[in-house]
Amino acid sequence: QLQLQESGPGLVKPSETLSLTCVVSGGSISSSGDYWGWIRQSPGKGLEWIASIYYSGRTYYNSSLKRRVTISVDTSKNQFSLRLSSMTAADTAVYYCARLKILHFDPWGQGTLVTVSS
Amino acid sequence: DIQMTQSPSSLSASVGDRVTITCRASQNINNNLIWYQQKPGKAPKLLIYAASNLQSGVPSRFSGSGSGTDFTLTISSLQPDDFATYYCQQSYSTPPFFGGGTKVEIK
Repeated sequence: QLQLQESGPGLVKPSETLSLTCVVSGGSISSSGDYWGWIRQSPGKGLEWIASIYYSGRTYYNSSLKRRVTISVDTSKNQFSLRLSSMTAADTAVYYCARLKILHFDPWGQGTLVTVSS
Repeated sequence: DIQMTQSPSSLSASVGDRVTITCRASQNINNNLIWYQQKPGKAPKLLIYAASNLQSGVPSRFSGSGSGTDFTLTISSLQPDDFATYYCQQSYSTPPFFGGGTKVEIK
């Protein structure tokens, strides 16, 4: 059974860079046709897709965040990562990682809350 | 980019009620529409893919319909476990944007 688990700091200072990692277990991150993505949800708000990546390194970004976001993959560790720079209070959210298969997200990680505060 | 609009943003219903949620795409997405259910403090869960196909394990009281730009999620007889927020998402092209969500509350 494929499972994903996010990890990273729960608190980030304004202007700093957020780094999150998603470890994939129960399957290979190099599985053909499977993409991997990050989605976030601000408190009380809806879902916002951030970025996606294929094991080959091909990436896709939300244009509204593109200049601040980097997604990467490490096939040797069966994990992928997100970096979001110049963090502000507006970036406070629960960050989810998920498998993206035929452009639908399943399964999802449990999510990790990231708060931006000094 | 294809934008997704859901309505209503919230609704109140009783156990046993028939509930319908609508999702509209800003352009034709054929049947490339996904529905998720999210409960408080939990990650979204895939309910329906390709507009009308139930994910394994999803109760048959859930159904999806539609094609093109207009789609519907129906719960035929609302159960206590169904009180949650529902999101649609287009799976036609990148970026895979979500609708704003519909919160189903207890009347």
